[in-house]
Amino acid sequence: KAGVTQTPRYLIKTRGQQVTLSCSPISGHRSVSWYQQTPGQGLQFLFEYFSETQRNKGNFPGRFSGRQFSNSRSEMNVSTLELGDSALYLCASRPGTVYEQYFGPGTRLTVT
Amino acid sequence: AQSVTQLGSHVSVSEGALVLLRCNYSSSVPPYLFWYVQYPNQGLQLLLKYTTGATLVKGINGFEAEFKKSETSFHLTKPSAHMSDAAEYFCAVSEAQAGSEKLVFGKGTKLTVNP
Repeated sequence: KAGVTQTPRYLIKTRGQQVTLSCSPISGHRSVSWYQQTPGQGLQFLFEYFSETQRNKGNFPGRFSGRQFSNSRSEMNVSTLELGDSALYLCASRPGTVYEQYFGPGTRLTVT
Repeated sequence: AQSVTQLGSHVSVSEGALVLLRCNYSSSVPPYLFWYVQYPNQGLQLLLKYTTGATLVKGINGFEAEFKKSETSFHLTKPSAHMSDAAEYFCAVSEAQAGSEKLVFGKGTKLTVNP
């Protein structure tokens, strides 16, 4: 089976812009979660989607949003980018019946 | 809320030596625990997990971890380090809420293996 794929792998944006990141889960996995990784804050949970519904949300401002499509693919959007949004954004999927999550390679976002 | 503490942000060992990475957790319910490894410029790879049952769990690449409830610990070990083990290791606990599962991670331990 193919693993979790994320596109693009690298992005450079300017403050104030918005960005959309994409994640394709492992085939058959219905749950997709997003995490932000920074040197200062470590790995932090953003949100989880299951069957096109957001089931859980981390402590991030409303500028961070996401959605899931009927084929389980997910996108996350960050509006009005700030320098502090520079991070590795990781997507993870799981079937929905087990607890371990399988991570993609991440999207490295740099905000200048 | 669950939390994870990893003792030592950097650990250095010689090739062939024992690897011991420490993890302590805080959880109000029986925990599900995980160790992940991250190589440079890559995502996280699951090494091993504890959910229920046997407290000594074996993972990939010769790693194992022991769940000790009385010590709230889940330390990761490998008898003999290899150069390819150099990476960052993250301990995580699963936090369940209304059918959702999120992972709460420790800050990570960077492992250096010296020749």
